[in-house]
Formats: sequence, C-alpha cells, structure tokens
Amino acid sequence: SLELTQPLSVSVALGQTATITCEGNNIGSKNVHWYQQKAGQVPALVIYRDTKRPSGIPERFSGSNSGNTATLTISRAQDGDEADYYCQLWDYNTVVFGGGTKLTVL
Amino acid sequence: QAQLVQSEGEVQKPGASVKVSCKSSGDTFTTYGFTWVRQAPGHGLEWMGWISTYSGDTNYAQNFQGRVTMTTDSSTGTSYMELRSLTSDDTAVYYCASFGLYFYMDVWGKGTTVTISS
Repeated sequence: SLELTQPLSVSVALGQTATITCEGNNIGSKNVHWYQQKAGQVPALVIYRDTKRPSGIPERFSGSNSGNTATLTISRAQDGDEADYYCQLWDYNTVVFGGGTKLTVL
Repeated sequence: QAQLVQSEGEVQKPGASVKVSCKSSGDTFTTYGFTWVRQAPGHGLEWMGWISTYSGDTNYAQNFQGRVTMTTDSSTGTSYMELRSLTSDDTAVYYCASFGLYFYMDVWGKGTTVTISS
C-alpha cells in the first residue's frame, strides 16, 4: 500500500519561507491535501487538491505536487503557523496520511 | 456555517464497546460522506473509515475491519461510529469530518476523547 513520508520536523525563522515535503510513489498523479493542527486543537484543512486554499486560509500558504513529491510552502512564516502539518491522499478507496511534520518558528 | 457536533468523552473498560455520534448542522450532510479519524496521545492521524451519505456504503481501514461499524441517520443528520473489543491502544481522540468529492476533510468535529481503563 502507498506510504507517505514527511520529515519529522522543520524549522523556519520568523518571516522566512518554510517548505514541508510529502513523498510517495507517483503521488503527482493524485490529489494531495494538507492539514494544520495546532497544539491541542482540531486539524484544519489548509490546502486541498494540491494547490487550492479553502476560504480563510492566507495566501501565504501554497501547495504543489509533481512526481513523487508534494510540497506545502508557507511564506513569511509567523508564530501562529507553528503546528503539526499532515499530508493526505485517497488511494484505492483508502485515506492515507503522512506521519506529520512539526513546524517550529524560530 | 456548517458544523459537526460530537458526543461527549467516554471512559470504557477493556473489552467493551463505544459509540460516538456526530451531528451535522448546516449543509454538511449534503456532502459526499463522513469519515472518522483518530489520534492517540502524542501520535499522528489514523484513518478509520468512511460512510457515504447517499448510499450508506462503508469502507473501513484494514486495521479496524471486523471491529468498527459506521452508520448514518439521515432524518437527524447524524453519523455514528461504533468500535468494539476495546483495548488500551484505543485510547484516543476520535474525530468525525465531512468528506468531499475529492476525499478531503473540510469540516471537522471537535473530537471525542475515549479513554480505556480498567
């Protein structure tokens, strides 16, 4: 079955750009979605169908997906972006989650 | 705005069952279906399965097959998840979420904490 691999942790300086990757075999052919989960809170959708932002999500959040890697990019990182981020896709009638990446804003 | 309201947390004994409810308000019940995700303390998100609000068809994650049942009641806009033969490993927060056509989770309930303790 398809597995999604994310880095355990990513650090970014305040105001700089954070990049979180999600790797899996040929995931560029699938729709990848991203969730943000702040400490003690419910996960929230931040990117869906690779690149689309739900209403209310800042333009600083963007996504891409090609080949074996999907990427969530957070520009001008803020303290409030510190959270766990999960990628997710649908594969053969199954939801697959990445293991999650803890983003730290320095 | 669409909301999903989940039942309150529960404490259950090993071997027992738990049934968590998820009531929709607004137009979430017209979405493709409902999915259930759990999160054990300090761990990531684990998908449990989903149920179509149109057909009632279900698809369960392999880890839970034979132990979980998901149902919906369209008259009340409520989805249910029952998990049986509980062990301490089932201690987790259980989330319901609405499932769109492209199988992403756009609206989440606040979660139900289930604690398994003898």
